[in-house]
Amino acid sequence: SQQGEEDPQALSIQEGENATMNCSYKTSINNLQWYRQNSGRGLVHLILIRSNEREKHSGRLRVTLDTSKKSSSLLITASRAADTASYFCATGGNEKLTFGTGTRLTIIP
Amino acid sequence: DAGVIQSPRHEVTEMGQEVTLRCKPISGHNSLFWYRQTMMRGLELLIYFNNNVPIDDSGMPEDRFSAKMPNASFSTLKIQPSEPRDSAVYFCASSSGFLQPQHFGDGTRLSIL
Repeated sequence: SQQGEEDPQALSIQEGENATMNCSYKTSINNLQWYRQNSGRGLVHLILIRSNEREKHSGRLRVTLDTSKKSSSLLITASRAADTASYFCATGGNEKLTFGTGTRLTIIP
Repeated sequence: DAGVIQSPRHEVTEMGQEVTLRCKPISGHNSLFWYRQTMMRGLELLIYFNNNVPIDDSGMPEDRFSAKMPNASFSTLKIQPSEPRDSAVYFCASSSGFLQPQHFGDGTRLSIL
């Protein structure tokens, strides 16, 4: 069963705009991770945030975590055509991860 | 560095046949994961190994599925006998431990006719 639910399910924006995706989960976690999946490829790890962290940055990515609301957000700034992909959050209490349903992001050139 | 390598990339076979999927994890990684991805159920963890030992196989759907990791550089996922509902993309991933990213292969797209 999936613990994480991403919102929205699909998002289309113009190149250069910012994209925000949200993830909600149900049980206590130790860490939350975001992954990207290009069509026909495996998932690629983007960023990991621990349960005692509130915000983390990596290049054009910004992730926030609110454990009181059991939610996280992924912000991609200055989007590019190459950012077109599906994005998944994954929650873990140990080494095992449970993946959400994903947000399909389309960047319009 | 080579990533996680899965073979075959595509497999089409008839119902009832045995299917074997293969995975070579990244050298030095001590954890290996098998996932299945479908439109209906998303990405599901089937089983994971740590230091070649199965730790959690609660996601294996039924006895028709089995997985082995005879050494640190090779794992197999076997389906016998296969059924049309087993059609999915199967991913293998490896990691170097707790709180480390999982590195995924490009998957095996399995179609059971």
